[in-house]
Amino acid sequence: KQEVTQIPAALSVPEGENLVLNCSFTDSAIYNLQWFRQDPGKGLTSLLLIQSSQREQTSGRLNASLDKSSGRSTLYIAASQPGDSATYLCAVHYTGTASKLTFGTGTRLQVTL
Amino acid sequence: SQTIHQWPATLVQPVGSPLSLECTVEGTSNPNLYWYRQAAGRGLQLLFYSVGIGQISSEVPQNLSASRPQDRQFILSSKKLLLSDSGFYLCAWSNGLGNTEAFFGQGTRLTVV
Repeated sequence: KQEVTQIPAALSVPEGENLVLNCSFTDSAIYNLQWFRQDPGKGLTSLLLIQSSQREQTSGRLNASLDKSSGRSTLYIAASQPGDSATYLCAVHYTGTASKLTFGTGTRLQVTL
Repeated sequence: SQTIHQWPATLVQPVGSPLSLECTVEGTSNPNLYWYRQAAGRGLQLLFYSVGIGQISSEVPQNLSASRPQDRQFILSSKKLLLSDSGFYLCAWSNGLGNTEAFFGQGTRLTVV
């Protein structure tokens, strides 16, 4: 069964810390992996898309890595800020699934002052 | 640039009443369109997807249906709502190719009472 798991479910860090969010998937046959941010009661905002042939992608303070062979991706947030507080979702586009994304349940991040 | 619109933002409906949620995309042609549902504490679940006008694929058996009357319009409907239909509904689009980014609307919070 193709699944996506995110650990931890929740995380609280003081402002300024660097942090890593983890995502694991069960099948290495993927097209791509996408990281999203979701604020309470809102839709999803795309943060980074990593194609299956890529090892990492960077956008500002965010860096996402992909290791297909081990079925893992990490989202690294540098110098965290209170505005980074949100739920972060990882989604995998498995091959042969007609562009359907399989989502993890997310990591709820709180950055405190 | 491409934008996605979803409405209404919130909806409270009695059990047994009909439902119609609408999603439109601007700035692109022939997008893949998706309806997801997010239940509390659970990951996003794909309900329907469409690769073209009049083409609808259902991922899970349920009380809901979807239609795509125009290229950039996707509608989620029900003839008679159940309590279990309550949740956060998200529309999304991606272009017709497999290795592409998905973009989400702002969601509709549906409460069936």
